[in-house]
Amino acid sequence: NAGVTQTPKFQVLKTGQSMTLQCAQDMNHEYMSWYRQDPGMGLRLIHYSVGAGITDQGEVPNGYNVSRSTTEDFPLRLLSAAPSQTSVYFCASSWDSLNTEAFFGQGTRLTVV
Amino acid sequence: GNSVTQMEGPVTLSEEAFLTINCTYTATGYPSLFWYVQYPGEGLQLLLKATKADDKGSNKGFEATYRKETTSFHLEKGSVQVSDSAVYFCALTTGGFKTIFGAGTRLFVKA
Repeated sequence: NAGVTQTPKFQVLKTGQSMTLQCAQDMNHEYMSWYRQDPGMGLRLIHYSVGAGITDQGEVPNGYNVSRSTTEDFPLRLLSAAPSQTSVYFCASSWDSLNTEAFFGQGTRLTVV
Repeated sequence: GNSVTQMEGPVTLSEEAFLTINCTYTATGYPSLFWYVQYPGEGLQLLLKATKADDKGSNKGFEATYRKETTSFHLEKGSVQVSDSAVYFCALTTGGFKTIFGAGTRLFVKA
């Protein structure tokens, strides 16, 4: 059981480039989300999904797009990278939205130069 | 809105010392409360949770009690080990899939 798998683990982008961070889970979880982690700010929710075909914005959605065509996959797209998007990105999934734990991927460390 | 406040770190302790990391929250309704731990280079993993008032979550020697009257969920461990060095996050959910995390507290344990 692989859990939540994120790729790549590290990425360097130039300002203005686009890229997609991949996230896949094999636990049949309906709920998936993307967070960014910055020093002293904890984790901030970027986008989330409550099932295939349904996505919504979190706390810091600007500059990012998501889609959820299958239960397993929830990619995060950076449309035009900016230095302010330098961060560590985590994907998470869970059974429901209240009482159960979230399972996290190992993270993607992104640097935009 | 909902929020979680944790004590600022880093916290530096000697092995076998007692640990407390304070966490207080603001939330509407009846949230579930969690502590997650992040070891270097890894994602977060659940340490313990409590889903209603007066519940005590426990795991690996860590404990936290859901105190509704003080809106707190402080993390404690009686005797820390070097292997407990990590970043600890307090979090809450109130449904609607919006887990709110605290800023994290880094713990260093010296041998």
